[in-house]
Amino acid sequence: AQKVTQAQTEISVVEKEDVTLDCVYETRDTTYYLFWYKQPPSGELVFLIRRNSFDEQNEISGRYSWNFQKSTSSFNFTITASQVVDSAVYFCALSTLGYSGAGSYQLTFGKGTKLSVIP
Amino acid sequence: DAGVTQSPTHLIKTRGQQVTLRCSPKSGHDTVSWYQQALGQGPQFIFQYYEEEERQRGNFPDRFSGHQFPNYSSELNVNALLLGDSALYLCASSFPGSSYEQYFGPGTRLTVT
Repeated sequence: AQKVTQAQTEISVVEKEDVTLDCVYETRDTTYYLFWYKQPPSGELVFLIRRNSFDEQNEISGRYSWNFQKSTSSFNFTITASQVVDSAVYFCALSTLGYSGAGSYQLTFGKGTKLSVIP
Repeated sequence: DAGVTQSPTHLIKTRGQQVTLRCSPKSGHDTVSWYQQALGQGPQFIFQYYEEEERQRGNFPDRFSGHQFPNYSSELNVNALLLGDSALYLCASSFPGSSYEQYFGPGTRLTVT
């Protein structure tokens, strides 16, 4: 079974501080994808970043960066110089092939981390 | 290029009633997945449709059923509504052969009273 754990329920930071959101996942699949989504109060899930299981290279994209470590099954996400507009719920998700195979993937989400950026 | 659209935005139903939610995928996408997100929780996978067939199903009772039309749009039906069915229902679509990456719609918020 697949599982995603986001231990941090809520985080508050002051604007311009850096913040790291933690994610630990469990899967027996060797091929999988990891995602971070942002959900503002409007409810729509906004795609932020994606990583596949074969690529542990960590990257920076603007103010976002991520640290993928297969050895510890972690996929942490960092926002640098946080802004008030970053306030939202952030979800880590694991995409794995379902039981039907044939390219059918399903997403397993963590419970989310609510980030509040205080001006 | 329109993204994933869902209707209605909000819905209030009474326990025991039936409800139908609708989703139009992003242009060029052929696979539609449905998720239920209870308040304060992450989305939970309900099922996925491809080529008008249910290809994958999560741990949801048969009261939850769906349909996909030839134009790839999809419906989610829930029968005999329970109070616990109150949630945000999210539809996601994906490119052919790339269902690992899913694009989400704004959701339909269902309240069961």
